[in-house]
Amino acid sequence: KQEVTQIPAALSVPEGENLVLNCSFTDSAIYNLQWFRQDPGKGLTSLLLIQSSQREQTSGRLNASLDKSSGRSTLYIAASQPGDSATYLCAVRRGSGGGADGLTFGKGTHLIIQP
Amino acid sequence: EAQVTQNPRYLITVTGKKLTVTCSQNMNHEYMSWYRQDPGLGLRQIYYSMNVEVTDKGDVPEGYKVSRKEKRNFPLILESPSPNQTSLYFCASSSLDWLDGQYFGPGTRLTVT
Repeated sequence: KQEVTQIPAALSVPEGENLVLNCSFTDSAIYNLQWFRQDPGKGLTSLLLIQSSQREQTSGRLNASLDKSSGRSTLYIAASQPGDSATYLCAVRRGSGGGADGLTFGKGTHLIIQP
Repeated sequence: EAQVTQNPRYLITVTGKKLTVTCSQNMNHEYMSWYRQDPGLGLRQIYYSMNVEVTDKGDVPEGYKVSRKEKRNFPLILESPSPNQTSLYFCASSSLDWLDGQYFGPGTRLTVT
């Protein structure tokens, strides 16, 4: 059964710092990996999607990498801003042998950027 | 604007009173799915549908029903809600190949007393 772990569970850093959020998954047979942002009481906003054949994706100050063989992904946030404060979720689409066709989510990293 | 909509956004109900949470998408997506989010447990998949009249169980389907009579709509039905179904529910959709990933609705916060 696919399991997704995110480390750290919480992170507080001063504004302007570069930071890395980590995601690991137990079954490397995934179709893709998606990073989301969730603000308190709100829905999920997709940040980046990496297909299983890709190594990384970039959008603005965000860069996500994928190492399928080792079961790891990182989300790099450059020059952090207070508006980046949110919970960041990592999710993998289960492969054909992983049961139901859907996403397995990590529990998230709660990020606070101090002004 | 491409979007997934859910109604209602907030609902308080009592044990045993049947309810339906609607989900609609305007992107002509074949794939739709329901998730629930609980503190400490994260998001878990309830049901999904690959196309009209095709539905299948996710990780936590007990106590829920779904139907897919039209491509754009995927309602979640709780025939006899119980307090352990108090949760934040999300509907999601995508193309069949998931080329752009999953699009999520704004969520429905359900409280069952």
